[in-house]
Amino acid sequence: DVKVTQSSRYLVKRTGEKVFLECVQDMDHENMFWYRQDPGLGLRLIYFSYDVKMKEKGDIPEGYSVSREKKERFSLILESASTNQTSMYLCASRVSNYGYTFGSGTRLTVV
Amino acid sequence: QKEVEQNSGPLSVPEGAIASLNCTYSDRVSQSFFWYRQYSGKSPELIMSIYSNGDKEDGRFTAQLNKASQYVSLLIRDSQPSDSATYLCAVKEVGTGNQFYFGTGTSLTVIP
Repeated sequence: DVKVTQSSRYLVKRTGEKVFLECVQDMDHENMFWYRQDPGLGLRLIYFSYDVKMKEKGDIPEGYSVSREKKERFSLILESASTNQTSMYLCASRVSNYGYTFGSGTRLTVV
Repeated sequence: QKEVEQNSGPLSVPEGAIASLNCTYSDRVSQSFFWYRQYSGKSPELIMSIYSNGDKEDGRFTAQLNKASQYVSLLIRDSQPSDSATYLCAVKEVGTGNQFYFGTGTSLTVIP
């Protein structure tokens, strides 16, 4: 089974901090994704990547950036954390026509 | 922006009954369809995928796809309390990349 690992389950950060969320997958998938999930709003795509050093904006990229230096690792960066970025962050990877495999999620609280 | 609509529920069914979850989508060229189950506080897990019109069965789960009417449904037979979760519908469009579009989910409660 594909394993997608997110480095932190819970994080508490202060407003204005730079925050790094790490995601690693172990099945050589080209495609990786970052979503945030909020009650009533569902899953919203922040950024995705088809290959190393490649990135594409999703529906809500403002305030975020990403890095993919190695195929297995896709990092989400909050340049200057704000309280409206308090959310559950989900990383996913996939190949071809198969569904996503999600990581366990990081619940980020910005205070 | 593709629209994927689900009734948010909550949907309550007694144990042993059939639970029926529905999803409609706005894009006529959507290609692949997926159902995810998400327990409270956990990440979504894939339970079914369907690509062609008709029914696809996997154990107690049956996915139904009707592309002409632009809906996909999930039936859960012999519902168990452990099926209580939020069910997310996801749609992948033809061509442009590998992005999925998700509905906001239907909350299901199976009453013992």
